[in-house]
Amino acid sequence: GQNIDQPTEMTATEGAIVQINCTYQTSGFNGLFWYQQHAGEAPTFLSYNVLDGLEEKGRFSSFLSRSKGYSYLLLKELQMKDSASYLCAVKDSNYQLIWGAGTKLIIKP
Amino acid sequence: GAGVSQSPSNKVTEKGKDVELRCDPISGHTALYWYRQRLGQGLEFLIYFQGNSAPDKSGLPSDRFSAERTGESVSTLTIQRTQQEDSAVYLCASSLDGAGDTQYFGPGTRLTVL
Repeated sequence: GQNIDQPTEMTATEGAIVQINCTYQTSGFNGLFWYQQHAGEAPTFLSYNVLDGLEEKGRFSSFLSRSKGYSYLLLKELQMKDSASYLCAVKDSNYQLIWGAGTKLIIKP
Repeated sequence: GAGVSQSPSNKVTEKGKDVELRCDPISGHTALYWYRQRLGQGLEFLIYFQGNSAPDKSGLPSDRFSAERTGESVSTLTIQRTQQEDSAVYLCASSLDGAGDTQYFGPGTRLTVL
C-alpha cells in the first residue's frame, strides 16, 4: 500500500529552528509537495521537490532524498504565525497526490 | 476570480437529507479536485476532473457521493441521504493542469450532519 508518515505534533520556540520529517512508501515517485494549513483554513502551497537536494525559499527550506524515501521541511527564525499544520504529499506513478496526515506545529514564546 | 471559491462556507443538515456543495475553480485551471478532511485528520481524496476526460471517482466512499463538472468551470459535489459520519470539511482545489501540478485550495465547506 501507499504510506506517508509524519510526526503528529511538534513544539518549538519562537526564533528557533525546527525540522519536520516525512517518509514515504508509494507506487512510484514524481515529486513531493509541502503545504501549510492554519487551523480552520485551506492548505496553501509551500514547496515542491522532484530532485534530490535542498530547495531554499526564505525562512523555509525543503530537502529530498529519493533513495531514502525521505523529505524534511526546515523552518528557521520561527514566528508565532508559523503555528499551523504542515502537510507532506507525494505524487505517485499515476500522478496522483498521496497526502500525509500532517504535522501540527506549536510555537511557544 | 483570484482564487478558488466554495459555497456555502458552512452547512448544517439533518441526517437523511441531501446536500450540494459548490466549487468555482481558478479561471483557466483544467484540473479540479475534491477532498474530505475530518477534524484533526489529513486530506482524503474524493474525485478528480481533468478537462473533458472521464473523472477519477476512485476516492468516493459510497454511491451516496457524486460530483459533476461543467466543462472547465464550476463543480458540484452532492451527498445523498447524509449520515453523521459525513460531517467534515469538504475542500476543493484546482490546478493549471493535471499530472500532479500544484493545487490551489478553496476555503472549504464545513458540513455538519445532525
